[in-house]
Amino acid sequence: DAGVIQSPRHEVTEMGQEVTLRCKPISGHDYLFWYRQTMMRGLELLIYFNNNVPIDDSGMPEDRFSAKMPNASFSTLKIQPSEPRDSAVYFCASSFGWTGGYEQYFGPGTRLTVT
Amino acid sequence: AQSVTQLGSHVSVSEGALVLLRCNYSSSVPPYLFWYVQYPNQGLQLLLKYTTGATLVKGINGFEAEFKKSETSFHLTKPSAHMSDAAEYFCAVSEKSGSARQLTFGSGTQLTVLP
Repeated sequence: DAGVIQSPRHEVTEMGQEVTLRCKPISGHDYLFWYRQTMMRGLELLIYFNNNVPIDDSGMPEDRFSAKMPNASFSTLKIQPSEPRDSAVYFCASSFGWTGGYEQYFGPGTRLTVT
Repeated sequence: AQSVTQLGSHVSVSEGALVLLRCNYSSSVPPYLFWYVQYPNQGLQLLLKYTTGATLVKGINGFEAEFKKSETSFHLTKPSAHMSDAAEYFCAVSEKSGSARQLTFGSGTQLTVLP
């Protein structure tokens, strides 16, 4: 398996622009997680899905952030409008809920820079 | 609610020396416990996990961790550090009960290996 795939790997945009981050989970995994990592705040869970349904979005910082999972093999995280404080590395992770171990497999991340 | 505390945000060891990274957790139910490693500009990679059974868990790259319920600890060790072990290490916990599948991560420990 190719693992969790994220695109783009790097994104540089100007304040006010819309940003869309993409994720393809590992085939067969039924949980998908979006995280944000910064030096100041560490690793933060933003939202997670089970069987394409959002389960907990309490970590989404503001209404400017939205996430969708239209099917089992694709998810997006959108920021509109983007602000400099959104600059961070965004990770997608997936897991298979019935293995009993709950381990998550992470993608390589998208480094977002908002100028 | 569950939480994870990693003692020491930075740890330095000499090549060949023992590596000890500390992790304490709190959980209202028996936990699943994990150690992840993050190399520069990469996603998190699972090192090892504890679910049930043997409390001494062996992982990749010669690392191991021991679950000590009485001490609520899950410290990570490696007998002899290698330069390639330099990375950031995250301890994480997940509760076994309920439908939640989130991991709660510690704040991370940056390991430096000195020649």
